[in-house]
Amino acid sequence: AQSVSQHNHHVILSEAASLELGCNYSYGGTVNLFWYVQYPGQHLQLLLKYFSGDPLVKGIKGFEAEFIKSKFSFNLRKPSVQWSDTAEYFCAVSGANDYKLSFGAGTTVTVRA
Amino acid sequence: DVKVTQSSRYLVKRTGEKVFLECVQDMDHENMFWYRQDPGLGLRLIYFSYDVKMKEKGDIPEGYSVSREKKERFSLILESASTNQTSMYLCASSAYSDRIYGYTFGSGTRLTVV
Repeated sequence: AQSVSQHNHHVILSEAASLELGCNYSYGGTVNLFWYVQYPGQHLQLLLKYFSGDPLVKGIKGFEAEFIKSKFSFNLRKPSVQWSDTAEYFCAVSGANDYKLSFGAGTTVTVRA
Repeated sequence: DVKVTQSSRYLVKRTGEKVFLECVQDMDHENMFWYRQDPGLGLRLIYFSYDVKMKEKGDIPEGYSVSREKKERFSLILESASTNQTSMYLCASSAYSDRIYGYTFGSGTRLTVV
């Protein structure tokens, strides 16, 4: 069974700081990788996804993530955060032909104005 | 936009009650899922369904059952609610052809069992 590990439980940043959230997974096959975001009081939304091709993927709101196959990692980055990026971020993985997503424990990001 | 609607935003039930959580999606998706979200644990899959009347256990099915009589509706049933089932419950759906593209989530039902 696949598992997902997110390195940080809570990250606190100032506006304009750079953000990097770590995600590692374990799975013995080809994977699809996702980052979801949950803003306070809102439902989970897809931030970006990777399933093949260029390992550097760009998502909404200036986020990007890099898939490093040799490290089983899919880290999320944003060069300059805004107060509105305060949210909980979830990394998720599925097998290439699997219906199910397995989620990490989530990282709460607090951006101070 | 696909909409996934969960019938209740907040629910308070007593221990031992039978609880029904309803989820409806409006985009003819084949796959539907129930997760529970707990602080520090992320989202854990309870049950999922890839077709009408089909269901499969997820990672934590104990104490739960599901029903999918119509394609658009997927119900989660707590047969006898217990305090350790106090949680946020999330429903999601995805199209068969889009299974690698991720899910669309509902807004969640925060269930408190007292």
